[in-house]
Amino acid sequence: AQRVTQPEKLLSVFKGAPVELKCNYSYSGSPELFWYVQYSRQRLQLLLRHISRESIKGFTADLNKGETSFHLKKPFAQEEDSAMYYCALNPGGYQKVTFGTGTKLQVIP
Amino acid sequence: DAGVTQSPTHLIKTRGQQVTLRCSPKSGHDTVSWYQQALGQGPQFIFQYYEEEERQRGNFPDRFSGHQFPNYSSELNVNALLLGDSALYLCASSQQGGSSYNEQFFGPGTRLTVL
Repeated sequence: AQRVTQPEKLLSVFKGAPVELKCNYSYSGSPELFWYVQYSRQRLQLLLRHISRESIKGFTADLNKGETSFHLKKPFAQEEDSAMYYCALNPGGYQKVTFGTGTKLQVIP
Repeated sequence: DAGVTQSPTHLIKTRGQQVTLRCSPKSGHDTVSWYQQALGQGPQFIFQYYEEEERQRGNFPDRFSGHQFPNYSSELNVNALLLGDSALYLCASSQQGGSSYNEQFFGPGTRLTVL
């Protein structure tokens, strides 16, 4: 069975400090990994996916198959980054997506 | 385009009752997935509908059932409600395209409280 683990419920950083939100997964095959974000009073939305290898709002995430991790990083946190972040896994094919429990990022001014 | 819409916004039911939640997908989307999000948890996949058929199902009992209509809108039905069914129910729509993942767009959710 697939599983996504986000070990931190809350991560507080100062504005301008680096951010790393951790995500580990378990799945025997080659899944697709994603980060979703939910800003206050907004809907859950896709932030980035590993296959696109792009930087969105300054965030990047690298899939490490050896460590089965997909950590989300940003070199300099902004106040507008404060939100709930969910790591998610799709085993492939149809979208039976598994989400982690989420990490609340709080950027302190 | 209003995006994915869900109704009602909030719902209060008592144990043993039945409930129907509704979802209209984003314009141009033909696939609808339903998720249950308990407090403090991430969304949990319930099932997915495409071409009016249930295509994938998560680890939920048969009390949870659904339907997709020809206009791609969808309903989630839960029978014999339990206290543990209290949660935010999210609908997500996407455009089917081969076997690759296509971005899911989420609705605002329906908050179900079971007393």
